Amino acid sequence: SYELTQPPSVSVSPGQTARITCSGDALPKKYAYWYQQKSGQAPVLVIYEDSKRPSGIPERFSGSSSGTMATLTISGAQVEDEADYYCYSTDSSGKRVFGGGTKLTVL
Amino acid sequence: EVQLVESGGGLIQPGGSLRLSCAASGFTVSSNYMSWVRQAPGKGLEWVSVIYSGGSTYYADSVKGRFTISRDNSKNTLYLQMNSLRAEDTAVYYCAREKVVPAARGGWYFDLWGRGTLVTVSS
Repeated sequence: SYELTQPPSVSVSPGQTARITCSGDALPKKYAYWYQQKSGQAPVLVIYEDSKRPSGIPERFSGSSSGTMATLTISGAQVEDEADYYCYSTDSSGKRVFGGGTKLTVL
Repeated sequence: EVQLVESGGGLIQPGGSLRLSCAASGFTVSSNYMSWVRQAPGKGLEWVSVIYSGGSTYYADSVKGRFTISRDNSKNTLYLQMNSLRAEDTAVYYCAREKVVPAARGGWYFDLWGRGTLVTVSS
């Protein structure tokens, strides 16, 4: 079955750049999406179609994708960015797949 | 206001059944792809099922044959009928609207989520 692989955790100090990666064999052919989930809350879309930012999402959030890896970058991470981040995509058959999630710590 | 509100969760014994509801407002459920996504305690997100605007349904292997997704157009509501429940079905269940991306690398993604409803399967 198709898998998207993320690091379990990433830690940065406030103001530093956080990078969270997501690897998957189908990413060259399918867009990557990124969701932020704070404790006890529903997921929120922060990046769609590899690199587009929904309205209301701060400019410090950006995304990129190259080959089999997608990357979420938070430039100048803030304490309020501390959350779990999930990449999402589909495989060649259309199956919906989430990555395992990355816990971002900002302290 | 565009929103999704889930209900119907609770404590149920293994082998039991439960029906979750997801009431939509501000848009039409039947005109969209609608999914259920779950999250076990302390775990990641897992897609469960989808119903397309045309009525086709699909399921994750983990729930196939036990869960049924449906909708009531008159009530603008999405449902998930869960039968033969197991301890591993314990999770917060979210309903989510999907956006279709008609591009070469397109597919579909979740652009609107409800707040979720907790299902606990335990004796």
